[in-house]
Amino acid sequence: NAGVMQNPRHLVRRRGQEARLRCSPMKGHSHVYWYRQLPEEGLKFMVYLQKENIIDESGMPKERFSAEFPKEGPSILRIQQVVRGDSAAYFCASSPLPGNEQFFGPGTRLTVL
Amino acid sequence: AQRVTQPEKLLSVFKGAPVELKCNYSYSGSPELFWYVQYSRQRLQLLLRHISRESIKGFTADLNKGETSFHLKKPFAQEEDSAMYYCALSGRGNQGGKLIFGQGTELSVKP
Repeated sequence: NAGVMQNPRHLVRRRGQEARLRCSPMKGHSHVYWYRQLPEEGLKFMVYLQKENIIDESGMPKERFSAEFPKEGPSILRIQQVVRGDSAAYFCASSPLPGNEQFFGPGTRLTVL
Repeated sequence: AQRVTQPEKLLSVFKGAPVELKCNYSYSGSPELFWYVQYSRQRLQLLLRHISRESIKGFTADLNKGETSFHLKKPFAQEEDSAMYYCALSGRGNQGGKLIFGQGTELSVKP
């Protein structure tokens, strides 16, 4: 089992562009969590998805951010019209059941110029 | 408000010395507490959770509900323990089990 995969590992965007971050959960895991880590801070929960459903998006900014986890393919975190404040490390985690141990991916480091 | 606080950003000890990484939490219900660790160039991984009451790599952590703390302890630190440590909580019965993390403590064990 390859573990949680995230790509790209590094992403550079200019202000106003779109950023798409991908997360492939571990085999057999249908629960995906996205977290954001700003410089000098801990990880902050953004959104929890189960296949084809958003279960909890209480940590997502109201504008420009969206997430999906389609029936086939990876989970996508999409940031439209990026701003410098979006520069952060974005981590994805997966688990086989809600409340079970979460397994983390290596993260995507987004830099907005 | 739900919050996890790790007061020390950096903790530096010598090999063989005891180590304690502090974690305090604020939660209105009945939380489940975790310690995650991130070694250099590796992914964040679960170290231990309070409900399992295990000792992993010599580390233990006891949930103190009176003091709302979940400090991580090891009697004799090793150089390979050097890493970033994050305390986290999840609300029991919390839909989905999202984690609330502290800011992290960098542990440096010197030879």
